[in-house]
Amino acid sequence: DAKTTQPTSMDCAEGRAANLPCNHSTISGNEYVYWYRQIHSQGPQYIIHGLKNNETNEMASLIITEDRKSSTLILPHATLRDTAVYYCIVRSHNTDKLIFGTGTRLQVFP
Amino acid sequence: DTGVSQNPRHKITKRGQNVTFRCDPISEHNRLYWYRQTLGQGPEFLTYFQNEAQLEKSRLLSDRFSAERPKGSFSTLEIQRTEQGDSAMYLCASSLSEGDTQYFGPGTRLTVL
Repeated sequence: DAKTTQPTSMDCAEGRAANLPCNHSTISGNEYVYWYRQIHSQGPQYIIHGLKNNETNEMASLIITEDRKSSTLILPHATLRDTAVYYCIVRSHNTDKLIFGTGTRLQVFP
Repeated sequence: DTGVSQNPRHKITKRGQNVTFRCDPISEHNRLYWYRQTLGQGPEFLTYFQNEAQLEKSRLLSDRFSAERPKGSFSTLEIQRTEQGDSAMYLCASSLSEGDTQYFGPGTRLTVL
């Protein structure tokens, strides 16, 4: 699975959009981009995933660049409850283990 | 369905004791995974099952660790002769089938004194 690079930490004001970047320059054609988040002392929570098209669900939007070498997770209106560590994972559907990095610690402030 | 459940949520034990954790996956999910997470790190894969068959084990899973899923439903993870280095959050996840999204439980936090 391709390696991902994320900033260690980010801040966002409540009510604003939080844009979390992820670089995955070695991604292969059959590898998906997955996003999970982990609120303190809880299990990781699935957010969204995509292959090459942009995706949106009730939690977030995922924007994948045309060359697929990077992506951005967008939380359109961040709340204090969105404070968490966000993990970007590149995963082949032929592999069943998720390889987590250290993620981005997002702090939403009032 | 309320998702993946894990018991106990917290376990404190003395070095050398055996501990067992239980994971109940989402109903109808054929795949079940165990991960371990230490402080400040992301979760690390330990092992996974397709129904009752254990298909892969990480090198992290030493001989003191054993996982089972006897009837293809719930799973147990046992650690024998615990060591202080086993202190971690043990996470369970399940997915409907190969390649599907994994959903995690709340984890069991183990503290070895």
